[in-house]
Amino acid sequence: DQQVKQNSPSLSVQEGRISILNCDYTNSMFDYFLWYKKYPAEGPTFLISISSIKDKNEDGRFTVFLNKSAKHLSLHIVPSQPGDSAVYFCAASLNFGNEKLTFGTGTRLTIIP
Amino acid sequence: NAGVTQTPKFQVLKTGQSMTLQCAQDMNHEYMSWYRQDPGMGLRLIHYSVGAGITDQGEVPNGYNVSRSTTEDFPLRLLSAAPSQTSVYFCASSYMWNTEAFFGQGTRLTVV
Repeated sequence: DQQVKQNSPSLSVQEGRISILNCDYTNSMFDYFLWYKKYPAEGPTFLISISSIKDKNEDGRFTVFLNKSAKHLSLHIVPSQPGDSAVYFCAASLNFGNEKLTFGTGTRLTIIP
Repeated sequence: NAGVTQTPKFQVLKTGQSMTLQCAQDMNHEYMSWYRQDPGMGLRLIHYSVGAGITDQGEVPNGYNVSRSTTEDFPLRLLSAAPSQTSVYFCASSYMWNTEAFFGQGTRLTVV
């Protein structure tokens, strides 16, 4: 049973436009969410996180939005750059700091120059 | 600063062979974990450790063993390789479970 779902396996966006990556979860007890970015032949790297007490967190071009009632989070990248082309994983955990992460299946983002 | 180092980067095994994937970190992190990445499945947790001498099973532990004799090292052992274990394996370490986790570059394992 996939508790964290990324329903879009791939997404293509024009350079300079907004990229929106979506993630849905089924366990309402998840209270901390993270996004990781992965380039080919490399390990994932941490991008941004958000706790359930917030509905938005920004870091430069990256913003994560959390809608707890819909059990949905999204990652916005504005403006999109060619270096953003990668696979993006969302992850969730229970009880901040004390529980292991559950990862989604990933979305491959391609930025078109 | 090496971060998390995994060896080897590539490996081909025959069915039934055993091997150990090595993982070392130099950040003094207590939390270490092993994941496998398969197409359409995301990252699945195999085994994890919350400190030296303490290990536990993750989501897909069958066919794998781990030990944590030191804070730095967390090797993953395949006891008798099977084609279903063909995957890309990642080791990760972090200060806490869901603070920034640092991943190794991965080991691409093929079992024939």
